[in-house]
Amino acid sequence: SQKIEQNSEALNIQEGKTATLTCNYTNYSPAYLQWYRQDPGRGPVFLLLIRENEKEKRKERLKVTFDTTLKQSLFHITASQPADSATYLCGYGSNQGGKLIFGQGTELSVKP
Amino acid sequence: DTEVTQTPKHLVMGMTNKKSLKCEQHMGHRAMYWYKQKAKKPPELMFVYSYEKLSINESVPSRFSPECPNSSLLNLHLHALQPEDSALYLCASSPRGEKLFFGSGTQLSVL
Repeated sequence: SQKIEQNSEALNIQEGKTATLTCNYTNYSPAYLQWYRQDPGRGPVFLLLIRENEKEKRKERLKVTFDTTLKQSLFHITASQPADSATYLCGYGSNQGGKLIFGQGTELSVKP
Repeated sequence: DTEVTQTPKHLVMGMTNKKSLKCEQHMGHRAMYWYKQKAKKPPELMFVYSYEKLSINESVPSRFSPECPNSSLLNLHLHALQPEDSALYLCASSPRGEKLFFGSGTQLSVL
């Protein structure tokens, strides 16, 4: 069965640096990958979606890539700020049924 | 209105109680979801409704019973729960089954 893994449970970086989070999947390429941000005690908030036929998507300081050869998506936050500190979730979905399954998440901490 | 509203925010129940969680969205989304999230873990999919019909049940125990009375409302009926069912229960909706809009969740404690 399909598995999705985020290879860091926690990531600590200095303010102003670029944070890079990784999401790997096994088996078949999902139709799309999504990235969400979750703050403690709150529901996840959608950030970006990238389809299997897209290489890169950008939104303000955020960038996501999709490499079907490496079976990997990278999520970048440039010029990181302490307010970016949160848990970031990668999720994969199919074109059937709207099922979205999440990886275990990466807790990002940006220090001033 | 771009919100998914969940009530109550907190719920404490005994193992013999029956309670319901409620979720409402007025964005005209066709898909609605229930997820369960334990502390420091990712959300786990429980149920998906598409056009008010149950389309996915991720082998959830029958003590959890979902209901979709109309396109704006989603309920989760709880009966004879166990302490290990204590978690944050998240509702979400989606216009086309891709980008999900989540509510803030109901923090459930089963004593």
